[in-house]
Amino acid sequence: DQQVKQNSPSLSVQEGRISILNCDYTNSMFDYFLWYKKYPAEGPTFLISISSIKDKNEDGRFTVFLNKSAKHLSLHIVPSQPGDSAVYFCAASVGTSGSRLTFGEGTQLTVNP
Amino acid sequence: DTGVSQDPRHKITKRGQNVTFRCDPISEHNRLYWYRQTLGQGPEFLTYFQNEAQLEKSRLLSDRFSAERPKGSFSTLEIQRTEQGDSAMYLCASSPSRRGGFNEQFFGPGTRLTVL
Repeated sequence: DQQVKQNSPSLSVQEGRISILNCDYTNSMFDYFLWYKKYPAEGPTFLISISSIKDKNEDGRFTVFLNKSAKHLSLHIVPSQPGDSAVYFCAASVGTSGSRLTFGEGTQLTVNP
Repeated sequence: DTGVSQDPRHKITKRGQNVTFRCDPISEHNRLYWYRQTLGQGPEFLTYFQNEAQLEKSRLLSDRFSAERPKGSFSTLEIQRTEQGDSAMYLCASSPSRRGGFNEQFFGPGTRLTVL
């Protein structure tokens, strides 16, 4: 039962353009969503998060959008840079205190110079 | 910058052997999590401690797996009688327990286990 799903295993974009990574979830109890970035041989690094009471959260070049009715969230990176090339994981949690994270399968982003 | 550390980084073992991994969380974090990641998948939750108490265990954590956090600081994850299906990256994460807001989990670099 894959409760968090990232349907695109890979995405390739040109430097300076927008990268859009998508994530769908099925569990309506999820109320907090996060994006993590992972480089090879390193653990996932927290990038940005959003509470279910919001529909947008922005941090510099990164913006996360949440559409609760569609159970869909997306991460926008603009402008994309070669250093953004990594695997991006969407994760969700029920509650904010001490909860397990449920991850998607990840999307490999490649930003070409 | 003392982040989450894990030891060893790599472990190769033969089927049937026991292995133990260690995780040292960020010092002021009282919550500690173990996840397992296999190729092409995202991390999957295994278990969670608040201080020394193990508060939640996934059904993925079979009776061959045991985790401890005896003094509420570092944690160990032991796998007994390893099987080839145990081959994976084992990730440890820690988080604070501040009231209000979300407490992000900070991950270590992982221990890659290969069972031959």
